[in-house]
Amino acid sequence: QKEVEQNSGPLSVPEGAIASLNCTYSDRGSQSFFWYRQYSGKSPELIMFIYSNGDKEDGRFTAQLNKASQYVSLLIRDSQPSDSATYLCAVRKGAQKLVFGQGTRLTINP
Amino acid sequence: NAGVMQNPRHLVRRRGQEARLRCSPMKGHSHVYWYRQLPEEGLKFMVYLQKENIIDESGMPKERFSAEFPKEGPSILRIQQVVRGDSAAYFCASSGEGVGSPLHFGNGTRLTVT
Repeated sequence: QKEVEQNSGPLSVPEGAIASLNCTYSDRGSQSFFWYRQYSGKSPELIMFIYSNGDKEDGRFTAQLNKASQYVSLLIRDSQPSDSATYLCAVRKGAQKLVFGQGTRLTINP
Repeated sequence: NAGVMQNPRHLVRRRGQEARLRCSPMKGHSHVYWYRQLPEEGLKFMVYLQKENIIDESGMPKERFSAEFPKEGPSILRIQQVVRGDSAAYFCASSGEGVGSPLHFGNGTRLTVT
């Protein structure tokens, strides 16, 4: 079982709709959870991080964490073509390394 | 620019040569991580360093690869006797103190082995 699993996609969403990206992790001791966005040929950039169960909102982005189900998700409201990218879920235990999923490729269709 | 600085951006080496990749962490950060990414794949952890110490090298190949983060100067990822399979993007990231501090990535070094 992979430590962090994401559906590789591609996920196609019409402009203006909500894009929902999902991630599961295997280590129950994981404490912090991150979403990065990576455009083709570029480096990953941090979108959001979440530590506690529940929702965390930042502009059009909402991260959701459910530690009992070992599940973290990212919602993007009012999707824009500029949101088209690969979204990487990452999980961390304590001060250790960040473990990444394989990424979900998201395409927003105008 | 207070971000993570990596150089060179592109590096071409012939098989058998050595590749040296440099990374200067974000100002105030003392934790450095190296990741490798193959085309269409996720980021694979290689090594985690603090000043003068290797904390976790569980993702580093046992041979030909080494990393350091000296007291003065940038972190260096060294690949000796490169092979075609080493061609990839190598990303460095840094973080501050504190459990759960996010990693901030540099622009990466694209290594091509011919």
